[in-house]
Amino acid sequence: SQTIHQWPATLVQPVGSPLSLECTVEGTSNPNLYWYRQAAGRGLQLLFYSVGIGQISSEVPQNLSASRPQDRQFILSSKKLLLSDSGFYLCAWNQGRYSTEAFFGQGTRLTVV
Amino acid sequence: KNQVEQSPQSLIILEGKNCTLQCNYTVSPFSNLRWYKQDTGRGPVSLTIMTFSENTKSNGRYTATLDADTKQSSLHITASQLSDSASYICVVSERSQGNLIFGKGTKLSVKP
Repeated sequence: SQTIHQWPATLVQPVGSPLSLECTVEGTSNPNLYWYRQAAGRGLQLLFYSVGIGQISSEVPQNLSASRPQDRQFILSSKKLLLSDSGFYLCAWNQGRYSTEAFFGQGTRLTVV
Repeated sequence: KNQVEQSPQSLIILEGKNCTLQCNYTVSPFSNLRWYKQDTGRGPVSLTIMTFSENTKSNGRYTATLDADTKQSSLHITASQLSDSASYICVVSERSQGNLIFGKGTKLSVKP
C-alpha cells in the first residue's frame, strides 16, 4: 500500500537558521509531489510541485526552495529562516493525470523564533 | 489561470443544524474534484471525490454535489456534530498533468 512520511512533526528554529523538511513516499513510482504551507488562520498555499526527478515548479516567490533528488523524495529547504516562515507545512502526492486520489503527510509545525 | 474559490471563509453553526459549503473553480481541463476535512494541526482527510460524470456523492452525513457546466461544487453537512468543527478544503485536479489546485478552505465551527 502507498504511504507518505513527513518529518519532523514539530520544529522550533531561530531566525537565520537553515531548514530541511523531508517527505518520502512508498508504494508507488513517479508520483506528483507537493509542498504546501498553511499560515495561522489561513488556507493552504501551494509552494512547490514536482512531476519528476529534478523538476520543480515554484508557485510563490519566497525564502524557500525545494529539491527532488530521488523519485519518491521531496525536500523543502531554506538557507536562512524568517519569522514569516512559521506555519504548518504539508507534503502531498498524487499519481499524476490519471489520479483519483491525493494523499497527505501529517504535516510539520514550524515555529521560527 | 487555474483557481479554486471557496465560500464562506468561515462559518459558525449550532450542533444539529445543517450547512452547505461552496466551491467554484476555473480549472481546465478538469479531471476530478475532492473535498477534504482538515482538523487543526493535522493533514487533510478525504471526504469525497467526483469525476466529470458524477453530480452527487455521499459519505455518511456529508453530501457533495458537482455541476461541471457551471464549475461549481457544494458540500452539505447534515445534523452537524461538534466533531465536524474543522477546515473543509475543495481540491480540483487538472487533467493534463494531474496537478492539484487547492481552495483556501472554509473554517467550520460547530457550537453546542
